[in-house]
Amino acid sequence: KQEVTQIPAALSVPEGENLVLNCSFTDSAIYNLQWFRQDPGKGLTSLLLIQSSQREQTSGRLNASLDKSSGRSTLYIAASQPGDSATYLCAVDMKGWGGKLIFGQGTELSVKP
Amino acid sequence: NAGVTQTPKFRVLKTGQSMTLLCAQDMNHEYMYWYRQDPGMGLRLIHYSVGEGTTAKGEVPDGYNVSRLKKQNFLLGLESAAPSQTSVYFCASSYLGQYEQYFGPGTRLTVT
Repeated sequence: KQEVTQIPAALSVPEGENLVLNCSFTDSAIYNLQWFRQDPGKGLTSLLLIQSSQREQTSGRLNASLDKSSGRSTLYIAASQPGDSATYLCAVDMKGWGGKLIFGQGTELSVKP
Repeated sequence: NAGVTQTPKFRVLKTGQSMTLLCAQDMNHEYMYWYRQDPGMGLRLIHYSVGEGTTAKGEVPDGYNVSRLKKQNFLLGLESAAPSQTSVYFCASSYLGQYEQYFGPGTRLTVT
């Protein structure tokens, strides 16, 4: 059974710092991996989607990498800002599952001014 | 584009009552999903649909029913609410299964 783990559960950094959020999964037979952002009391916003054949995806200050063989993905945030404060979730889509995502528990990020 | 919308935003039910949560999307997406989010459990898939007129069970389907009579709408029903169904419910949609999912703002349900 696929398990997705995100460590740490919470992270606090000063503004301007570059940071890395981690996501690991136990079964490497994934179709793709998505990173989401969730603000308190809100829904999820898709940040990046990496297909299993890709190594990384970039959007602005965000860069997500994928290493299927080791079961790991990282989300790199450059020059963090207080507005980046949110919970970041990763989710994997197993092949043939028709888009049914398996989520990690998330990392709660706080960026201090 | 409104994206994915959910009705209602909040609801309090007594044990044994029934209700329906409505999800609507205006992106012409084929796939739609219902998740619940609980502290310490993360997001879990309840039911999903791969097209109009289809539904399928997810990870935690017991106590819920769904219908997809129109492509743009996906309804989640609770026939006899239980306190264990207290949760935040999210609807999502995607163009096809392997594309990114777009989420609604959520419905916070409390069952007393």
